[in-house]
Amino acid sequence: SQTIHQWPATLVQPVGSPLSLECTVEGTSNPNLYWYRQAAGRGLQLLFYSVGIGQISSEVPQNLSASRPQDRQFILSSKKLLLSDSGFYLCAWRDLYNTGELFFGEGSRLTVL
Amino acid sequence: SQQGEEDPQALSIQEGENATMNCSYKTSINNLQWYRQNSGRGLVHLILIRSNEREKHSGRLRVTLDTSKKSSSLLITASRAADTASYFCATAGDLGRGSTLGRLYFGRGTQLTVWP
Repeated sequence: SQTIHQWPATLVQPVGSPLSLECTVEGTSNPNLYWYRQAAGRGLQLLFYSVGIGQISSEVPQNLSASRPQDRQFILSSKKLLLSDSGFYLCAWRDLYNTGELFFGEGSRLTVL
Repeated sequence: SQQGEEDPQALSIQEGENATMNCSYKTSINNLQWYRQNSGRGLVHLILIRSNEREKHSGRLRVTLDTSKKSSSLLITASRAADTASYFCATAGDLGRGSTLGRLYFGRGTQLTVWP
């Protein structure tokens, strides 16, 4: 069966520091991968999505970047964090060939101080 | 924006009552999905309804879709305290248009509280 892992679960970082959040998927190949951000009490904002290695689409201009160095690995990064980058980051993969649903990781809570 | 919007933002009911949440969207869609999120956790898929379907059931869940009104509703019957969570609708673009292939857009969610 497919599983999705996301880490770290919690992160407290100072303004201006770098960021790296990692997501890996097991049990499927060539998945569509997504990064969403959820601000406190808000909905999910689609940040990036990827249909394959090295293929990244950005939804909104921002201080973040994403990379997909391997088929089942998706990384969210920043060179210098801003206070506004605080939030709950969720990685997901989509089963386009069957139900079309998204499978989410458990999320990474980032607090920028 | 293709993003769905849920209504109400918050709903508080007693166990055993039914809970109804609504979702409105703006563009044509291929399907609409409902998700649940427990506090501080990832989202879990509940049910998917395709654009050519009008109603779908799964256990205590009933989803309707009215593409003419661009709206959907999620009904949870005989609610339980364990149903307390945030519920989100998500829309997937019309594949025929191609521009939003593979992307799902979420609303802000409805926070449901079920009191024992």
